[in-house]
Amino acid sequence: DAEITQSPRHKITETGRQVTLACHQTWNHNNMFWYRQDLGHGLRLIHYSYGVQDTNKGEVSDGYSVSRSNTEDLPLTLESAASSQTSVYFCASSDSGGAYEQYFGPGTRLTVT
Amino acid sequence: EDQVTQSPEALRLQEGESSSLNCSYTVSGLRGLFWYRQDPGKGPEFLFTLYSAGEEKEKERLKATLTKKESFLHITAPKPEDSATYLCAVASGTYKYIFGTGTRLKVLA
Repeated sequence: DAEITQSPRHKITETGRQVTLACHQTWNHNNMFWYRQDLGHGLRLIHYSYGVQDTNKGEVSDGYSVSRSNTEDLPLTLESAASSQTSVYFCASSDSGGAYEQYFGPGTRLTVT
Repeated sequence: EDQVTQSPEALRLQEGESSSLNCSYTVSGLRGLFWYRQDPGKGPEFLFTLYSAGEEKEKERLKATLTKKESFLHITAPKPEDSATYLCAVASGTYKYIFGTGTRLKVLA
């Protein structure tokens, strides 16, 4: 069965360190997304990609970057982790060519101390 | 500004007590409205997509409906296993997905 996986599931890091969260999907979807989920804010879009070599900023992109070198993976990098980036991060993918449902990974809980 | 508002924030029901969750939206060019279920510690799980006013979708005890300004998720005779957070999202004209903050549903046995 197709799926979307994230690693690590839990991460504790220190302020100022660079952190990369992995996302891998086997749906063969062109569209991939990164969200963060915080109490009172719901899911907020960080970055998204519509295909290989394509990346776009979402509403809360400051301090984050992504790269898309193949269809399956969209790693999210925190350049210099800050306490404000403590959150739960979800990766999602969807089919392209229209407004389709997104399929989400299990999430990564990141704590920045 | 595109916006999605869900109400109520939390809802407690007795098993078998039917109710509805609301999702109101203001977006420039609705491309689709989505309902998801999220269990604690897990990612959102897709339930329904609605594309145009008047459309309805059903799955087991859940039924989703759409008007030009809002969507309802009707839960008929809920069971404790229906307890979860229900999220609503809209896809706007630019194919951005905007999520509401969800309704936390608790069904008591």
